[in-house]
Amino acid sequence: NAGVTQTPKFQVLKTGQSMTLQCAQDMNHNSMYWYRQDPGMGLRLIYYSASEGTTDKGEVPNGYNVSRLNKREFSLRLESAAPSQTSVYFCASSEAGWWGNTEAFFGQGTRLTVV
Amino acid sequence: AQSVTQPDIHITVSEGASLELRCNYSYGATPYLFWYVQSPGQGLQLLLKYFSGDTLVQGIKGFEAEFKRSQSSFNLRKPSVHWSDAAEYFCAVVGTSGTYKYIFGTGTRLKVLA
Repeated sequence: NAGVTQTPKFQVLKTGQSMTLQCAQDMNHNSMYWYRQDPGMGLRLIYYSASEGTTDKGEVPNGYNVSRLNKREFSLRLESAAPSQTSVYFCASSEAGWWGNTEAFFGQGTRLTVV
Repeated sequence: AQSVTQPDIHITVSEGASLELRCNYSYGATPYLFWYVQSPGQGLQLLLKYFSGDTLVQGIKGFEAEFKRSQSSFNLRKPSVHWSDAAEYFCAVVGTSGTYKYIFGTGTRLKVLA
């Protein structure tokens, strides 16, 4: 029962470095999401992918890129990390269709610190 | 565009007391609504959801929520709080007509006094 798996769990980057956060789900869901969580800000949507081959911007996309590699995997890339990107990142997936959407299932999060 | 407001950032209740966490949403129609709970250092766990039908929905851990269309609200309630309920609670909304964005509120942190 893996569900949604994120790697890595912790990461420290220097300003200007790049990295990719990996996310994989084994529930055959068609929709996947990346959020960041900051104190007092709740979860803010960075990017989402409604289905394989499509991606769309969320509320806070600047400084990030995403790739929906296949139906299982959805990666988030920071090309040039900034201290403002210090946050906890969550990946999620859900089953969505013309009828709407199921609940989202979340990974355990990646705690990223940019120094 | 859809949005969610949780007006209470922090709530403190005594163990055994009743609880109500507020959630208001903005959306052009009736959306799908969810409540999630996050324990410290953990991911998010679904408490309950509303898609349609009965406006009072039951969830896990003794929680319930009531959808009120006239007030655009989906408040979470529990009759008697346990110390283990201390966590952060998030309300979320997703549209029902081909949109797939889950939008979350800013969360309410619950503290339970022994």
